[in-house]
Amino acid sequence: SAVISQKPSRDICQRGTSLTIQCQVDSQVTMMFWYRQQPGQSLTLIATANQGSEATYESGFVIDKFPISRPNLTFSTLTVSNMSPEDSSIYLCSVVGLAGVNEQFFGPGTRLTVL
Amino acid sequence: GDSVTQMEGPVTLSEEAFLTINCTYTATGYPSLFWYVQYPGEGLQLLLKATKADDKGSNKGFEATYRKETTSFHLEKGSVQVSDSAVYFCALRPSYDKVIFGPGTSLSVIP
Repeated sequence: SAVISQKPSRDICQRGTSLTIQCQVDSQVTMMFWYRQQPGQSLTLIATANQGSEATYESGFVIDKFPISRPNLTFSTLTVSNMSPEDSSIYLCSVVGLAGVNEQFFGPGTRLTVL
Repeated sequence: GDSVTQMEGPVTLSEEAFLTINCTYTATGYPSLFWYVQYPGEGLQLLLKATKADDKGSNKGFEATYRKETTSFHLEKGSVQVSDSAVYFCALRPSYDKVIFGPGTSLSVIP
């Protein structure tokens, strides 16, 4: 299984600022995703992080608000831009490993509170 | 598009009671099906999975069977414990694609 770490684990930010979340995997992976879990809600996919090209965003999410980078097969970042209290959520990185296409692993999440 | 529906919670059971959480899905093709669990204040954990019709996933006393004819993947446990209190998410994954989650069902087990 893939071991995923995220930084920071939590943060409290002011309205109007931006936060970049890092996701590091201990092995090369084929696919990387970013999810959002709003308080008391299920997980919603934000985008698929593509290596060397622009991320693929789901309906309702745009690059200007959630820019994503994936410079290599083990690392990705998600930036939450111009934050508002509605962005307060847990943000999770998720990967599909090289070994098993039916295995999708989730990071511990980054708990973001926007004041 | 693909989607997952779960029974609404919260569900409250007494210890040693039988648990069923219903899950049905809509998908084209032959998705893999999953149950994830999220304990209070913790991250998401894979509880069990099934990758083809009639497969039974099992773990920690929980079971679920992939029923293609009824497009269902109900979660069951014969005797729940207080430590099973958590939120349970049914999910599907179309081939070579991302996981799609249901809304989650909160379970509270009381002594």
